[in-house]
Amino acid sequence: QQQVRQSPQSLTVWEGETAILNCSYEDSTFNYFPWYQQFPGEGPALLISIRSVSDKKEDGRFTIFFNKREKKLSLHITDSQPGDSATYFCAASGGSSGNKLIFGIGTLLSVKP
Amino acid sequence: ETAVFQTPNYHVTQVGNEVSFNCKQTLGHDTMYWYKQDSKKLLKIMFSYNNKQLIVNETVPRRFSPQSSDKAHLNLRIKSVEPEDSAVYLCASSPWGGDQDTQYFGPGTRLLVL
Repeated sequence: QQQVRQSPQSLTVWEGETAILNCSYEDSTFNYFPWYQQFPGEGPALLISIRSVSDKKEDGRFTIFFNKREKKLSLHITDSQPGDSATYFCAASGGSSGNKLIFGIGTLLSVKP
Repeated sequence: ETAVFQTPNYHVTQVGNEVSFNCKQTLGHDTMYWYKQDSKKLLKIMFSYNNKQLIVNETVPRRFSPQSSDKAHLNLRIKSVEPEDSAVYLCASSPWGGDQDTQYFGPGTRLLVL
């Protein structure tokens, strides 16, 4: 059973549009949710993260919306750029998983110019 | 340059051979990790070490063994590789190993088992 789920598996948007990437989780004790960005041939890199005490975290064009009651979160990328084309992983840790990061399967984002 | 370094970038081998991958971090972190990323890009933790001590050992086949000489180095040895071991192996480090630590990843070692 996958503890962290992501949808869609792939997403294509036009340059300038807002991309919305979804994530949900099973374990209500998770309390930290980082999003990682991975380009081909590279390791994942932290993009933005949120703690379960917050419902929103913004960093430039990237915003996480978090709904603790529904155990869902989403990453919004506004004014998408071709350079944002990458795979985005939602992850969770804390609570019963301790410091182990549990990753979702990822969303492959393609931004067309 | 401070980062997480992995060697080799790519390794092709035959079933039954032994392979070793190296990882070094120059970030001054206390905790290091090995992840496996399969062909579907799913990332799963295999091991983590804090100050040379094994703290997480997920259910991985016994042919996988981590080796840490100091807190900046964490190597991975695979004895008698099998076809399902073909994957990208990612090394990461974090400052303290806390549950809200940022983990910094290396570029990965891609293993192909023929």
